Amino acid sequence: QSVLTQPPSVSAAPGEKVAISCSGDSSNIENNFVSWYQQLPGAAPKLLIYDSDKRPSGIPDRFSGSKSGTSATLGITGLQTGDEADYYCAVWYSNLTAVFGGGTKLTVL
Amino acid sequence: EVQLVETGGDLIKPGGSLRLSCAASGFAVSSHYMSWVRQAPGKGLDWVSIIYSDGKTFYADSVKGRFTISRDISKNTLYLQMNSLVAEDTAVYYCARVNYRSAYYWGQGTLVTVSS
Repeated sequence: QSVLTQPPSVSAAPGEKVAISCSGDSSNIENNFVSWYQQLPGAAPKLLIYDSDKRPSGIPDRFSGSKSGTSATLGITGLQTGDEADYYCAVWYSNLTAVFGGGTKLTVL
Repeated sequence: EVQLVETGGDLIKPGGSLRLSCAASGFAVSSHYMSWVRQAPGKGLDWVSIIYSDGKTFYADSVKGRFTISRDISKNTLYLQMNSLVAEDTAVYYCARVNYRSAYYWGQGTLVTVSS
């Protein structure tokens, strides 16, 4: 069991929006930076969000990140069938060791 | 363009050893923090180890004392030496370049299977 808790699955229809939560505590999320990763079926993970709310170049603004206290959220708007994937949150501590959440499977109905 | 290519995954018996390689291009591994992350079949991501640009290293408790992260500057390659392997080490192993407190660039992964 990870110290970061994510819902095992979420679903929404194409065009809709979805929020994926990542819950921790003061030892992880609250005082460190959160990143989010997308893993398409059979592929390597890909960075979506870093420093809690920043997007790398090339990541569409349909993807957003936020953090409040001991929780973080990944938001995806304008859902597409190509967004079906597993999504992981992660906390990187000050010494750059890290912990990942258990992952959330997104289904676009 | 940043590229990371892992090799070395194999079927290995419990108690055995294996060395994974991660060849980098587009940047110098010696100038960046580099990490290994693994994923057991059907499971989530699991952080394994990191090496700083100054050579300092850290490990997850599950691999401490058994795994060693290192690099070869002349070959621009990151390594993960894995000893005393157990079934729970079965996973796809990814190398990643760490930037902005995140695994910014990832390789495609290499599969390690520990089984008798």
